Amino acid sequence: EVQVVESGGGLVQPGGSLRLSCAASGFTLSDYHMSWIRQAPGKGLEWVANMKQDGNEKYYVGFVKGRFTISRDNAKNSLYLQMDSLRAEDTAVYYCVRYYGSGRPWFDPWGQGTLVIVSS
Amino acid sequence: DIQMTQSPSSLSASVGDRVTITCRASQGISNYLAWFQQKPGKAPKSLIYAASNLQNGVPSKFSGSGSGTDFTLTISSLQPEDFATYYCLQYNTYPLTFGGGTKVEIK
Repeated sequence: EVQVVESGGGLVQPGGSLRLSCAASGFTLSDYHMSWIRQAPGKGLEWVANMKQDGNEKYYVGFVKGRFTISRDNAKNSLYLQMDSLRAEDTAVYYCVRYYGSGRPWFDPWGQGTLVIVSS
Repeated sequence: DIQMTQSPSSLSASVGDRVTITCRASQGISNYLAWFQQKPGKAPKSLIYAASNLQNGVPSKFSGSGSGTDFTLTISSLQPEDFATYYCLQYNTYPLTFGGGTKVEIK
């Protein structure tokens, strides 16, 4: 079964750091472009970051540039999002999503998400 | 950044109704447009990619059309399981941007 499972969320103080993990199964993560997408409580979806198949090209939404870093461990078939200098507005459920591969976009699967709460 | 304007933001419809949701891009995005369905407390589900291509397993009552700046998602005959929030996403240009969502409610 093709799936992703996110973990690593929790309560963190403003200015703090968290590292989110996304464990993929049923497919080889490095064969695809991968995304992190978030959703603040009661709000819409917001794209955060992408990593291309080569692992070298990375893209971020403007308000996380310099604070968030997307990375991958091929041996563990896992994707990560290192989040530093967290702000209250980063509070959201964070989803890991398979974005593109084999010549087409997928936007699937989505995990259950992991909740990040930034609060003092 | 490309702005995606979705309309309406909400609508009330009855079972069996034909429903159309529109998404307008602030600049041309060719057909790099996807649609998602999200039910309360659940992760989004991908419905359509490349403006009009159904994802595997998505019923044919869903259809998408458009190119350039104007796109539509149509549900041909609304069923109880279709009451949800729908989002469009442009993936032509970074940053990827979502529409604000359309909540489809029961009339």
